[in-house]
Amino acid sequence: NAGVMQNPRHLVRRRGQEARLRCSPMKGHSHVYWYRQLPEEGLKFMVYLQKENIIDESGMPKERFSAEFPKEGPSILRIQQVVRGDSAAYFCASSNRAANKGYGYTFGSGTRLTVV
Amino acid sequence: LAKTTQPISMDSYEGQEVNITCSHNNIATNDYITWYQQFPSQGPRFIIQGYKTKVTNEVASLFIPADRKSSTLSLPRVSLSDTAVYYCLVVSGSGNTPLVFGKGTRLSVIA
Repeated sequence: NAGVMQNPRHLVRRRGQEARLRCSPMKGHSHVYWYRQLPEEGLKFMVYLQKENIIDESGMPKERFSAEFPKEGPSILRIQQVVRGDSAAYFCASSNRAANKGYGYTFGSGTRLTVV
Repeated sequence: LAKTTQPISMDSYEGQEVNITCSHNNIATNDYITWYQQFPSQGPRFIIQGYKTKVTNEVASLFIPADRKSSTLSLPRVSLSDTAVYYCLVVSGSGNTPLVFGKGTRLSVIA
């Protein structure tokens, strides 16, 4: 079991370009969560998805950000027209149906986005 | 979910026991206390979870008093590799809910 796989590990984009971050959950996990972490800060929740459904997007910026978790393939976090303030580490976590109380979540190693 | 408060940073020498205390005054009846560890350039990793009294595993112990308004993560005989950020989270026991992270405690272990 390879765990939660995120790619790319590092992504550099120029202002105005699009960034696509991919997350493959652990085998058997159907719940995916995206978090953003600024330097010296804790992780901030962005969006919670189950297969083909967005369950909670209360942490997503209203513009330029979108997420999907299709029936087949990885979850994608898409940032359109990136700005320097989007530079951060983006982490994905997955859990299975039975996961609750905080112990069933597995995090990936993150994608570090740098906007130049 | 209850807000958590923990020290921003702590220093310790190798071989010492480290105790990190977290306050969560507004914890609800069905909430659990969970601790995660994050190394540089990695995602958080689950350490331990408890509801009340004491929980121990191969990594740490978690002490929770009867009123559950605080908890203490205890790391026995730390080594340099325990240098990391430790997050205290209050998690609902009612189902899949997103984890809410604070700024955590940055532990630096010195040789």
